[in-house]
Amino acid sequence: SAVISQKPSRDICQRGTSLTIQCQVDSQVTMMFWYRQQPGQSLTLIATANQGSEATYESGFVIDKFPISRPNLTFSTLTVSNMSPEDSSIYLCSVQTSATDTQYFGPGTRLTVL
Amino acid sequence: DAKTTQPPSMDCAEGRAANLPCNHSTISGNEYVYWYRQIHSQGPQYIIHGLKNNETNEMASLIITEDRKSSTLILPHATLRDTAVYYCIRPFSGGYNKLIFGAGTRLAVHP
Repeated sequence: SAVISQKPSRDICQRGTSLTIQCQVDSQVTMMFWYRQQPGQSLTLIATANQGSEATYESGFVIDKFPISRPNLTFSTLTVSNMSPEDSSIYLCSVQTSATDTQYFGPGTRLTVL
Repeated sequence: DAKTTQPPSMDCAEGRAANLPCNHSTISGNEYVYWYRQIHSQGPQYIIHGLKNNETNEMASLIITEDRKSSTLILPHATLRDTAVYYCIRPFSGGYNKLIFGAGTRLAVHP
């Protein structure tokens, strides 16, 4: 399985600011995804990060709030914009080496917004 | 819509087998069943997946009923480190494995 790292591992931010989370994989992967896990809840898919094109967002998530970049096959970023305390969550990236392969998850970024 | 049903919580004694059920009565013939677990807010860890045959790996066994409407994840000798939330997932089709997480089963392994 791929080795996935995320930066930062945790952060505490002020309301109204933005934070960019990085996801790095040790090998080229076809698919990269971003999830959110709010306190006490299960994981919710935010979007699929597409290499060379705009991300595909799930219902309830918009590009202005969660802009995503994927410049190559091993790296992606998720920005949480204009943060409010409701954005306090764990943000996770996941990867698949091919469309039908198993999906593997990074360690997550724990975000607290004051 | 998670499309699977799991009990919200289960207990197991350390050293005993943990049997975690999952109902997926609307599954179609070419849909896999995946199992992940999440230990204390870490990233979910892949455990095993299967289509229609029983599967076993170093972590667990997966038993799928003949009609494929349900499955059971078996941890043969549970340890305290197996305490986690276990998710049974049917990926959406459409070109890639889109994972929709339900609430899962919170397994507590006791000494």
